[in-house]
Amino acid sequence: EIVMTQSPATLSVSPGERATLSCRASQSVSSNLAWYQQKPGQAPRLLIYDASTRATGIPARFSGSGSGTEFTLTISSLQSEDFAVYYCQQYSNWPRTFGQGTKVEIK
Amino acid sequence: QVQLVQSGSELKKPGASVKVSCKASGYTFTNYAMNWVRQAPGQGLEWMGWINTNSGNPTYAQGFTGHFVFSLDTSVSTAYLQINSLKAEDTAVYYCARELVGWFDPWGQGTLVTVSS
Repeated sequence: EIVMTQSPATLSVSPGERATLSCRASQSVSSNLAWYQQKPGQAPRLLIYDASTRATGIPARFSGSGSGTEFTLTISSLQSEDFAVYYCQQYSNWPRTFGQGTKVEIK
Repeated sequence: QVQLVQSGSELKKPGASVKVSCKASGYTFTNYAMNWVRQAPGQGLEWMGWINTNSGNPTYAQGFTGHFVFSLDTSVSTAYLQINSLKAEDTAVYYCARELVGWFDPWGQGTLVTVSS
């Protein structure tokens, strides 16, 4: 099983600042990585797939990069609606696995 | 628009069974696999497995074999998750999610299953 490790667990950021979230895979997943956003009481929402492709309707301030074992989700200028928990997920191998999440909170 | 609508919250006693439904609309149901994901209270996302919506063949992740059952009714574009012999540790929100080419989009709104005596 591929273990996905996200860091940091919590990120405190001021509105308007940049946020950089990391996701590391225990073995290469190529570019088979997705990012999701989850707000309290809501279902996860797809942000990024194939490591760097924004899903339909996702604002350009969200960007993904990386391949192999190291990945990054960047939110260029945090808006109030971006404070949430973010998960990465690999789909290179079975079973599909998620990271434990990074909570982005208001500083 | 593409949408997955799940059944409502359930409160069950230990040992009982529950069946969660996930109704799809806005796309051809049998063109995409359906996955199930569990989220225990205050915890992260845990992939439970998937069901092939063409063949009805389910695949369960390790730890979800035994008392979890995936099924379909393609005539009403609905997937089901049945949990038998419920235990307190099955208390969680259960999500269905359409799989595209490995990633999940969209997700159902989630169904809270609470197991308590």
